[in-house]
Amino acid sequence: SSELTQDPAVSVALGQTVRITCQGDSLRSYYASWYQQKPGQAPVLVIYGKNNRPSGIPDRFSGSSSGNTASLTITGAQAEDEADYYCNSRDSSGNPWVFGGGTKLTVL
Amino acid sequence: QLQLQESGPGLVKPSETLSLTCTVSGGSISSSSYYWGWIRQPPGKGLEWIGSIYYSGSTYYNPSLKSRVTISVDTSKNQFSLKLSSVTAADTAVYYCARQKKLPIFLDYWGQGTLVTVSS
Repeated sequence: SSELTQDPAVSVALGQTVRITCQGDSLRSYYASWYQQKPGQAPVLVIYGKNNRPSGIPDRFSGSSSGNTASLTITGAQAEDEADYYCNSRDSSGNPWVFGGGTKLTVL
Repeated sequence: QLQLQESGPGLVKPSETLSLTCTVSGGSISSSSYYWGWIRQPPGKGLEWIGSIYYSGSTYYNPSLKSRVTISVDTSKNQFSLKLSSVTAADTAVYYCARQKKLPIFLDYWGQGTLVTVSS
């Protein structure tokens, strides 16, 4: 089982705002990174650090953190945002690249 | 533009050793601050980090796989490799290689992935 916990599924109406969360003790000390994965494709980094977007990632994607919870927010969700989303951070042993179980986002 | 490409057999027999290589192009594997790692994804399931290596040879391994995993680097060929021993059907997955950073934590470049099936 993962030391980072995500809700298995979340849905959002087209154009609305959705928050996807990731919980874990390591998140009290380290920022999470977030990945979008569409069927048959490799994951794509969408948020890292405090709230940084790689080049080419739309600004409707943002990240935040509070206590043991990291959040990925999509403001004005688009049909193309329908995908699986994974968080990534450290585990309790100090290994730096543990993934959450993933959240399937459906855009209605 | 950095590119990573996995290569290796797509079919491995149970109890044998899975071997994959990731070739890095468009940049040097000896870049400071970056690790190079392996992640897998069983069909229909989530991502699992396997392990990572620095160009100097320093490694991190997932504790749940550590006894079966070896990751090595060949800076002269700009490649790094994965060996996973004593495989079972549970090791069937798409295997990705990726460039990684420890602080902040992220994986920014990924290979396209390669499906490895464990079957007799």
